[in-house]
Amino acid sequence: GEDVEQSLFLSVREGDSSVINCTYTDSSSTYLYWYKQEPGAGLQLLTYIFSNMDMKQDQRLTVLLNKKDKHLSLRIADTQTGDSAIYFCAESGNTGGFKTIFGAGTRLFVKA
Amino acid sequence: DVKVTQSSRYLVKRTGEKVFLECVQDMDHENMFWYRQDPGLGLRLIYFSYDVKMKEKGDIPEGYSVSREKKERFSLILESASTNQTSMYLCASSQGRGVYEQYFGPGTRLTVT
Repeated sequence: GEDVEQSLFLSVREGDSSVINCTYTDSSSTYLYWYKQEPGAGLQLLTYIFSNMDMKQDQRLTVLLNKKDKHLSLRIADTQTGDSAIYFCAESGNTGGFKTIFGAGTRLFVKA
Repeated sequence: DVKVTQSSRYLVKRTGEKVFLECVQDMDHENMFWYRQDPGLGLRLIYFSYDVKMKEKGDIPEGYSVSREKKERFSLILESASTNQTSMYLCASSQGRGVYEQYFGPGTRLTVT
């Protein structure tokens, strides 16, 4: 079945860039997403990209998609302590429709 | 401001008890979901519903059932709670078309003793 994989932890210094990586298996994915979960809260959509795009930029966030390798990344420029959270990669595909497959989440630690 | 609310933030139940978790959304969304979140495993889909009175099994439905009598409300039922159902339970909703962005509630941390 479909799967989404990402590393579990990332630690960066405040002001550096963070890059969170993700791989997925569903070649029919239509949308790929990055969700953020802050402590004690549910997930919130950060950004998404259509599968026919290579890149999307939104202020400090840059999403890169390599469809051939089924690889998605999220770059956060000038990382702040407030960016400390769990980041989930997710995908929904044509076959699954609105059903979304989530990765295990990457916990980002930002050191002051 | 769009909202998904869950009936409890924290719940402690005994093994064998019947447990009801309720979720309400105010966005007139067609789709609603129940996930459980465990460390290192991410979100696993338990059940989802794409319309009133409709339900579909997710990846881990065993030991759970659901009810959707009204569009805005989706209930998760643990028929006989067991210790391996101790987890964080997240409810979400989404529109029936478009980007399928999911809106999440704050979660219910359930402990079964």
